[in-house]
Amino acid sequence: DGGITQSPKYLFRKEGQNVTLSCEQNLNHDAMYWYRQDPGQGLRLIYYSQIVNDFQKGDIAEGYSVSREKKESFPLTVTSAQKNPTAFYLCASSLKTGGFYNSPLHFGNGTRLTVT
Amino acid sequence: QKEVEQNSGPLSVPEGAIASLNCTYSDRGSQSFFWYRQYSGKSPELIMFIYSNGDKEDGRFTAQLNKASQYVSLLIRDSQPSDSATYLCAVNHSGGGADGLTFGKGTHLIIQP
Repeated sequence: DGGITQSPKYLFRKEGQNVTLSCEQNLNHDAMYWYRQDPGQGLRLIYYSQIVNDFQKGDIAEGYSVSREKKESFPLTVTSAQKNPTAFYLCASSLKTGGFYNSPLHFGNGTRLTVT
Repeated sequence: QKEVEQNSGPLSVPEGAIASLNCTYSDRGSQSFFWYRQYSGKSPELIMFIYSNGDKEDGRFTAQLNKASQYVSLLIRDSQPSDSATYLCAVNHSGGGADGLTFGKGTHLIIQP
């Protein structure tokens, strides 16, 4: 079945350590996104990529980095520079946007990161 | 700053009744509107999307869009306890929105048996 796989489901790290969250999709979608969700805050966009080897900062990119070396994969690294990394991280993908309308986003199951 | 506003709730509705969820948005050029359902601890799942003014029906769900008033709503008919969840409204940005969607903070819906 096609879908988006995020791993791990839960991740625990000590403060000061970098950590990489995995996101793989087999939907043949061009566009991929990373969102962060905090209680009462809704989803906030961290990074997005419309094509391989290209990505753009979202609203809250500071302290994060991404790569897009393959169409299927869009890993997110949470660096030690991110002040409040504990959150629920959601990866999403969609058909490439073009023109007026957006295709729906399809989400992975999320990674819950706890940094102490 | 592009904003999407939703009443956080909780919105409590008796089983079998119609649940009405509302959303307003600030970007007048937005063209794509989405409703997602999110159960506690889970990721959002797409319920419906709408692009044109008017109503769009899918089973027990109806999305309503009024671009002049910058207002989109979701009606759930014959509400079931399994409909209890947080409902997220999402809107694209004007000009095609290659940078994804802006999400509201969600409305927590409780269906009372």
